[in-house]
Amino acid sequence: GAGVSQTPSNKVTEKGKYVELRCDPISGHTALYWYRQSLGQGPEFLIYFQGTGAADDSGLPNDRFFAVRPEGSVSTLKIQRTERGDSAVYLCASSISGTSDIQYFGAGTRLSVL
Amino acid sequence: QKEVEQDPGPLSVPEGAIVSLNCTYSNSAFQYFMWYRQYSRKGPELLMYTYSSGNKEDGRFTAQVDKSSKYISLFIRDSQPSDSATYLCAMDSSYKLIFGSGTRLLVRP
Repeated sequence: GAGVSQTPSNKVTEKGKYVELRCDPISGHTALYWYRQSLGQGPEFLIYFQGTGAADDSGLPNDRFFAVRPEGSVSTLKIQRTERGDSAVYLCASSISGTSDIQYFGAGTRLSVL
Repeated sequence: QKEVEQDPGPLSVPEGAIVSLNCTYSNSAFQYFMWYRQYSRKGPELLMYTYSSGNKEDGRFTAQVDKSSKYISLFIRDSQPSDSATYLCAMDSSYKLIFGSGTRLLVRP
């Protein structure tokens, strides 16, 4: 079956603009995660969904970042008033049920804020 | 101090060499330990997943966990140019993965 799909693969935007990043998890996976990976660093946790609800959003850096998963499948990460420091690769992962499950990653969206 | 420390490399070895990659960690609550491989402009791909102290082998890869020393290792035997990638260690904090910064490996033909 298909893996985790993320669109777009690349996004270039200007400082101050709004962006949406989309994640399609593996079918049947109830848990979904967003991570952010800066150049030369490992991924850093942003938010964890169990079904439709955000079970832990403690990694979101500030209130410009928001994520939704309205039907328990596709998720969208939304960033308002983008800043140059938001430039990074945003990775989505999914797992079967959550705690201590293997997480499968998408290829990521490379966001560049000019 | 980061919860997970990993030497960034780069590590350059000739084809056929044995490669040793390592991470140390500070949180004794970590129970699950993983190694991911990440090719350039791709997402992390799981290589090894271990729970307890000891060794786990899968083909050319061996993962080793020493919880008493808070130290994990990945060994790659008979390394191939196709193994050239960034290797990330990761630890499971319930559902949240805590990653090292990754080690870049280059296997020269």
